[in-house]
This record gives sequence, structure tokens and C-alpha cells, in this order.
Amino acid sequence: SQTIHQWPATLVQPVGSPLSLECTVEGTSNPNLYWYRQAAGRGLQLLFYSVGIGQISSEVPQNLSASRPQDRQFILSSKKLLLSDSGFYLCACALWTGVGTGELFFGEGSRLTVL
Amino acid sequence: DAKTTQPNSMESNEEEPVHLPCNHSTISGTDYIHWYRQLPSQGPEYVIHGLTSNVNNRMASLAIAEDRKSSTLILHRATLRDAAVYYCIRNSNYQLIWGAGTKLIIKP
Repeated sequence: SQTIHQWPATLVQPVGSPLSLECTVEGTSNPNLYWYRQAAGRGLQLLFYSVGIGQISSEVPQNLSASRPQDRQFILSSKKLLLSDSGFYLCACALWTGVGTGELFFGEGSRLTVL
Repeated sequence: DAKTTQPNSMESNEEEPVHLPCNHSTISGTDYIHWYRQLPSQGPEYVIHGLTSNVNNRMASLAIAEDRKSSTLILHRATLRDAAVYYCIRNSNYQLIWGAGTKLIIKP
């Protein structure tokens, strides 16, 4: 079964500093990968998804970017963090068994606080 | 709005059944209904999904209305470990559309 690794688990960064969150997947090949952000007490907001190496789709325009340099590696980055970037970031891997059917597997998340 | 609608919170007694409702009145004919749950400071965990027919698995049952505008997640015998935020989600063309979820509180 697939396992999602995320790091760092916790991060405190000053406004204007860069960001790099990394996600790696084990146990599957050619996965669909997702980055979500969750504000406190809210649902998940889809930020980026990728169906293959170098293929990134952005759902929300903002100062974040994503890259997929390898099949099972997904990176979330920012050149200059804003206060509003604080949140709980989740990487997910999809195991779709058909259109709309299947499930997402999530990592343990990275909690980012921007001060 | 493409998001589903759920009550903000619900309470239930331990070892009793729990029925978590969800409205998705604008759902299209090909969108699946998914349920996930999330414990504090953890990633969400898959619970169940369905399209038209009721579904059962080891975790829960999913009852889908005939018009597909609503569904109910059923936990047959809630335990303290079932306390979590439960999300009812539309899966539209491989994209999961998340709402705010229902916080389920289990009383011992």
C-alpha cells in the first residue's frame, strides 16, 4: 500500500522568507499527487495537482508554486511568504479505480506558521 | 455552489448509531460522493464513497437518496475513537470538492 511522507512536520518562518515543503510517495508508481492547504477549523483547499512529472495544475492563484521533479516527489515552494500562507499543508496521492471512484491517501501534514 | 452542506457539529453517545447528513443538491449525474474523516493534526482518512446505491464497508455505511441530492453516513456503533471531523465531498472529474465538515463529538 502507498505511504506518503511529508517534511518538515512543523515550520515557523518570517514574512518574506522562502519556503520548501517536500512530499514523497512509496508503494505506487505514476500517482496523481495533490497539495492542499487547511486553515484552522476549515475544510481543505486544493492548491496544486499533478498527473505526471513536470505536469502541474494550479487551482488558486497565489505566491506559491509546485514542482514534480520525479515521479514520486512533489514539492511546494514560495519565494516570499505572506502571513496568509500560514496553515496546515497536506500532500495526497490518489488511487483512482475509475472516474470519480477510488480514494486519496494523505500524508501527516506540515504545519506552517508565518510570523 | 459546488460544495456540500453539512451541520457544523453533532453529538452522540458512545456505542450508539450515528447518522451524519449531507446535502449536495447541485451534484451532477457522474459525481461520486466521498466521505473522509480527520482527527486533530492529522491528514484526512478515507471512509467510504458511492454513486447511486447504498454502500457498506467495515468502517461505515453510506445511504444515498434516490434523487442523489443528499446522503447520510452511518456509523453503526460509535466509539470514542470515531470522534473527528467528517467531510462529505463531491468527486467531480477526479477533483474532490471539500466543505467545512461536521465535527462529531462522542460522549462516553
